[in-house]
Amino acid sequence: QVQLVESGGGVVQPGRSLRLSCAASGFTFSNYGMHWVRQAPGKGLEWVAVISYDGSNKYYVDSVKGRFTISRDNSNNTLYLQMNTLRAEDTAVYYCAKDFKQLVIRAVFDLWGQGTLVTVSS
Amino acid sequence: QSVLTQPPSVSAAPGQKVTISCSGSSSNIANNYVSWYQQFPGTAPKLLIYENDKRPSGIPDRFSGSKSGTSATLGITGLQTGDEADYYCGTWDSSLRAGVFGGGTKLTVL
Repeated sequence: QVQLVESGGGVVQPGRSLRLSCAASGFTFSNYGMHWVRQAPGKGLEWVAVISYDGSNKYYVDSVKGRFTISRDNSNNTLYLQMNTLRAEDTAVYYCAKDFKQLVIRAVFDLWGQGTLVTVSS
Repeated sequence: QSVLTQPPSVSAAPGQKVTISCSGSSSNIANNYVSWYQQFPGTAPKLLIYENDKRPSGIPDRFSGSKSGTSATLGITGLQTGDEADYYCGTWDSSLRAGVFGGGTKLTVL
């Protein structure tokens, strides 16, 4: 079954860290760029980060640069997002999403996980 | 503010046609493919249109996409109450080296 399943969300205090995971199945994970997209409560979609199929290229939205790190483990078909120095404005549902084209980054998301909620609050 | 600009809301009667615009710039829409997503409350977005005007398998031909210059448009014909959702455009921005979305458009089928 082709799917993405996120985990790792929860409530965390400002300034603390959290790591999200995204388990992929049903497709050749190592051939696709993978993204994180977030959605604050009642707000629109915001692209967060992408990692190329082999992990050699990573890009981030300005607001998370230096605080968030995207990574992947192709041997275990898992995507990660390490989030440090969290802020209240990072509160959102975080989705992992698969890029639709193999071996290149197109920012076209043809498969989404169900999302995991991160709440940053004291 | 979002990099791509969409109207906050559109509405039309069942059976009618509606279009949703998405405006960008030379660093994003003009030189990259545009995609469109449909999102119902509490669920993950779903890809509706990719590469400006292509539909993934399973997406009815009531949904169409087009692009001209720095703007793109999503069209929906034969509106149904089940089409009521939020719609987002998205693309890659070559200057920012980042994915970008529009702010989203809420479709109401009256």
